[in-house]
Amino acid sequence: AQSVTQLDSQVPVFEEAPVELRCNYSSSVSVYLFWYVQYPNQGLQLLLKYLSGSTLVKGINGFEAEFNKSQTSFHLRKPSVHISDTAEYFCAVSDHGATNKLIFGTGTLLAVQP
Amino acid sequence: DAGVTQSPTHLIKTRGQQVTLRCSPKSGHDTVSWYQQALGQGPQFIFQYYEEEERQRGNFPDRFSGHQFPNYSSELNVNALLLGDSALYLCASSKLGQRDYGYTFGSGTRLTVV
Repeated sequence: AQSVTQLDSQVPVFEEAPVELRCNYSSSVSVYLFWYVQYPNQGLQLLLKYLSGSTLVKGINGFEAEFNKSQTSFHLRKPSVHISDTAEYFCAVSDHGATNKLIFGTGTLLAVQP
Repeated sequence: DAGVTQSPTHLIKTRGQQVTLRCSPKSGHDTVSWYQQALGQGPQFIFQYYEEEERQRGNFPDRFSGHQFPNYSSELNVNALLLGDSALYLCASSKLGQRDYGYTFGSGTRLTVV
């Protein structure tokens, strides 16, 4: 079974500052990794995903993440945040099973302050 | 190209009642997954439907049931509602066998049980 841990429930940051949202996972098998963003009263939007290949993954809106197999981490980073980045961010894993179901962490609220 | 459409957007039900939520997948997608997102939590996998059959089920009681129609749309039914069933219910569609994990999420149905 897989599990995802997002240690920070909330990350406050000032506009134009860099940010890192942490994600650690546990799995006995190879996994695929994802970051989703959820704006208030909306569904989930895919930011980026790691399926294979380069461990540094670039996504939309200037976000990137690095897969670290030895540390079982997939931290999300952005060099300079905007007010519009304020949202809930979810890390998720999926195994290579038939349904590819997603297992989500509890989320991190990124609160960007002016 | 329409994405995933869910209806209704909000509804309020009384304990013990039954509810049906609906989902129309993105054009070209044939698989529908349902997730429950309780307040302050990450989404949890309920089940997935393909070819009108349930392919996999998460850790949810039999009060939760589903259906998929020949046009790939899907319904989620919850019987004997409990207060704890209050949540945002998300539908995600995908194309079976698509290796890029092209999940598309709807905006969800907010269910409140009183």
